[in-house]
Amino acid sequence: EAGVAQSPRYKIIEKRQSVAFWCNPISGHATLYWYQQILGQGPKLLIQFQNNGVVDDSQLPKDRFSAERLKGVDSTLKIQPAKLEDSAVYLCASSSLSGRPYEQYFGPGTRLTVT
Amino acid sequence: QQQVKQSPQSLIVQKGGISIINCAYENTAFDYFPWYQQFPGKGPALLIAIRPDVSEKKEGRFTISFNKSAKQFSLHIMDSQPGDSATYFCAASKRRGGKLIFGQGTELSVKP
Repeated sequence: EAGVAQSPRYKIIEKRQSVAFWCNPISGHATLYWYQQILGQGPKLLIQFQNNGVVDDSQLPKDRFSAERLKGVDSTLKIQPAKLEDSAVYLCASSSLSGRPYEQYFGPGTRLTVT
Repeated sequence: QQQVKQSPQSLIVQKGGISIINCAYENTAFDYFPWYQQFPGKGPALLIAIRPDVSEKKEGRFTISFNKSAKQFSLHIMDSQPGDSATYFCAASKRRGGKLIFGQGTELSVKP
């Protein structure tokens, strides 16, 4: 089966600009996650969707970050305006409701550099 | 508390040796403790996992040891190989479909 797809793989922007990331989860996976991985740290959950509803967005900086999952499949994460501290790898993951509860499948990530 | 603390930050092991990575948690409500492996340029991938009612789980060269009373668990990689060189993350999860709370990661380098 195809894995989690993300694009772009790399993005360089200046501070105060906006950026958007796209994720296509594994077919049939109801749950989709966006994580932020700062260099040298473990991934931190930003937002979790189940189908097209938000389950957890407690750590999403809502003044600048937004995410949507229209039709319960693809998802987009947006940052507007970007800050220097947003430089990180943004990982998308998905999981199946019928699979192992701790098993998430990660995409390769989008490396964002804010200058 | 939602933190998972991991050590060491980096580890160098000779080929054939044993790699040991340790994690500690505070929240006793966690249901699962998975380990993920991440190669450069890739997303993390599930390696092995354990539930808190089990003291040890072994899959091939990888073993998780779990100490519930101490709220600690560890990953042992036996007969470490250069191909095991990667970053390893311990994690904790509360429920089905719940978010993973990751440790800080351990960069393992296995020297030939």
